[in-house]
Amino acid sequence: SAVISQKPSRDICQRGTSLTIQCQVDSQVTMMFWYRQQPGQSLTLIATANQGSEATYESGFVIDKFPISRPNLTFSTLTVSNMSPEDSSIYLCSVENPSYGYTFGSGTRLTVV
Amino acid sequence: KQEVTQIPAALSVPEGENLVLNCSFTDSAIYNLQWFRQDPGKGLTSLLLIQSSQREQTSGRLNASLDKSSGRSTLYIAASQPGDSATYLCAVRGVTGFQKLVFGTGTRLLVSP
Repeated sequence: SAVISQKPSRDICQRGTSLTIQCQVDSQVTMMFWYRQQPGQSLTLIATANQGSEATYESGFVIDKFPISRPNLTFSTLTVSNMSPEDSSIYLCSVENPSYGYTFGSGTRLTVV
Repeated sequence: KQEVTQIPAALSVPEGENLVLNCSFTDSAIYNLQWFRQDPGKGLTSLLLIQSSQREQTSGRLNASLDKSSGRSTLYIAASQPGDSATYLCAVRGVTGFQKLVFGTGTRLLVSP
């Protein structure tokens, strides 16, 4: 299965600032997925990132708040913009393989103060 | 809209017990179902992937079954160990549309020595 390197692993940020999370995959993939896990909750899909096109956002998530880049088939970034304490969550990237299912990065634990 | 529920929400057992975690989903039109393990504040580790045409998968002390028609899956853990303590998540992938995973609410397992 794919190996995903995600960074940073954790960060504490001031409200009103932005944080960019990076995911690097060890193989080329068409789609990359970004999830959010709020404290005590399960995972919610934020958006799907295709290389060469705009990301597709789920209901309740907007590009201005969560801009995504996908410059090539092995890399993607998610930015959490103008952060508030409600953005404190674990953010995860993911890819899919038909044989192995989904593989997730190690997660970014974000605390906004 | 697919909804995934896991029972129980939390489980505490002494070391050595065999245990069963349950997952139910409302739409039986799934492509596959995947079980994950999540340690506190960390990413997800894939445990087992069951394709829609399969009835069960086994890996070591873990066995997962799938009854698609009734919308149920179970994860059986044999001879539990303290190292099994974690949150277990099931997730289903739909057949139509892009490859979106819908997650269950999770079962938090504590195995005491």
